[in-house]
Amino acid sequence: GENVEQHPSTLSVQEGDSAVIKCTYSDSASNYFPWYKQELGKGPQLIIDIRSNVGEKKDQRIAVTLNKTAKHFSLHITETQPEDSAVYFCAASAYYGGSQGNLIFGKGTKLSVKP
Amino acid sequence: DARVTQTPRHKVTEMGQEVTMRCQPILGHNTVFWYRQTMMQGLELLAYFRNRAPLDDSGMPKDRFSAEMPDATLATLKIQPSEPRDSAVYFCASGLLGRARTGELFFGEGSRLTVL
Repeated sequence: GENVEQHPSTLSVQEGDSAVIKCTYSDSASNYFPWYKQELGKGPQLIIDIRSNVGEKKDQRIAVTLNKTAKHFSLHITETQPEDSAVYFCAASAYYGGSQGNLIFGKGTKLSVKP
Repeated sequence: DARVTQTPRHKVTEMGQEVTMRCQPILGHNTVFWYRQTMMQGLELLAYFRNRAPLDDSGMPKDRFSAEMPDATLATLKIQPSEPRDSAVYFCASGLLGRARTGELFFGEGSRLTVL
């Protein structure tokens, strides 16, 4: 089955710097890669996603890149702000025989943005 | 403002007691998931339903956990008997998904369970 590895587990940056979180996946049939943000005491919330027919996607200060050959994808946050502090999860879902599989989540990255 | 509602938000109980967690998915969503979150294991899928039918509960310890969806507005997760290792945050999530289509999951705020 699918296995998603996420690094680093913790990341601390200064406000205004960029942050990068990386994930690798094992199943070459994976075709959907969302990123979720979890603030303290809340449930995860989708912030951006990418499908396997696209190499990069941007939404204001966040971007996701996908390298299908290497089976890895990354989240990039530019001009970080204190409100970006949260736990970020990557996930992957594979498509088999007309059926989309469930999301397999990485273990999460705790991002701290210091003012 | 549509959202997934979970109750209780916090539950402290003693080992051996029955625990029931409830979830009201977003109206119109056809798929409901139960996840468990721990520091060690991260987010683990326990079970999910599509159009109220259970599709997969392979992530759930069958001897003590059960998940049901008695109607479109209510999903339940029951643990009987509870054990200290069940201590975790349990999330319900819903989405409008299809057999060949994926999409956004909307998570509730979670039920934090502590079993003493």
